[in-house]
Amino acid sequence: DQQVKQNSPSLSVQEGRISILNCDYTNSMFDYFLWYKKYPAEGPTFLISISSIKDKNEDGRFTVFLNKSAKHLSLHIVPSQPGDSAVYFCAASYWGGTSYGKLTFGQGTILTVHP
Amino acid sequence: KAGVTQTPRYLIKTRGQQVTLSCSPISGHRSVSWYQQTPGQGLQFLFEYFSETQRNKGNFPGRFSGRQFSNSRSEMNVSTLELGDSALYLCASSVDSTNYGYTFGSGTRLTVV
Repeated sequence: DQQVKQNSPSLSVQEGRISILNCDYTNSMFDYFLWYKKYPAEGPTFLISISSIKDKNEDGRFTVFLNKSAKHLSLHIVPSQPGDSAVYFCAASYWGGTSYGKLTFGQGTILTVHP
Repeated sequence: KAGVTQTPRYLIKTRGQQVTLSCSPISGHRSVSWYQQTPGQGLQFLFEYFSETQRNKGNFPGRFSGRQFSNSRSEMNVSTLELGDSALYLCASSVDSTNYGYTFGSGTRLTVV
């Protein structure tokens, strides 16, 4: 039972254009969502997060949008840079007794930004 | 400040052996979580410790265990290793799991042969 899904295994964009990474979830108890970026042989690095009480959060070139009714979130990167090339993971969590320390991750999307 | 430190970075073990991995969290962080990353299953939650107590556990067999010490350092142990245990094991720490501010280490790459 995969509660967080990233249906696009890979995405390729040109430098300077927008990258849009998508994520769907099924567990309506999730109330906090995060995006992580990961390079091979390294741990995930936190990028940006959003609480379920918001529908948008921005941080520099990164914006996350949350559509609770559709159980969908997306990460927009504008403009995309070659250094953004990495695997991007969507993760979700909620506050409750069975969720201590637990992030539920999607399978990841490999982003490649071409110069 | 220093990040989350995991040792060793790489490890090769034989089927049937046991292994212990170590994680030193960021100073002041009391929550430590462990994850297994494999190509087929992605990042899977193993367990979480806070103040030396296991508060949460994922769906892994009893061969996977862990502990946390009074200085918040954590270890995880895998006994009777199987080929399928080959993975990147990641540790993450947070001041407290209520703030979702988890910082990950670089991981330990375990290969079982």
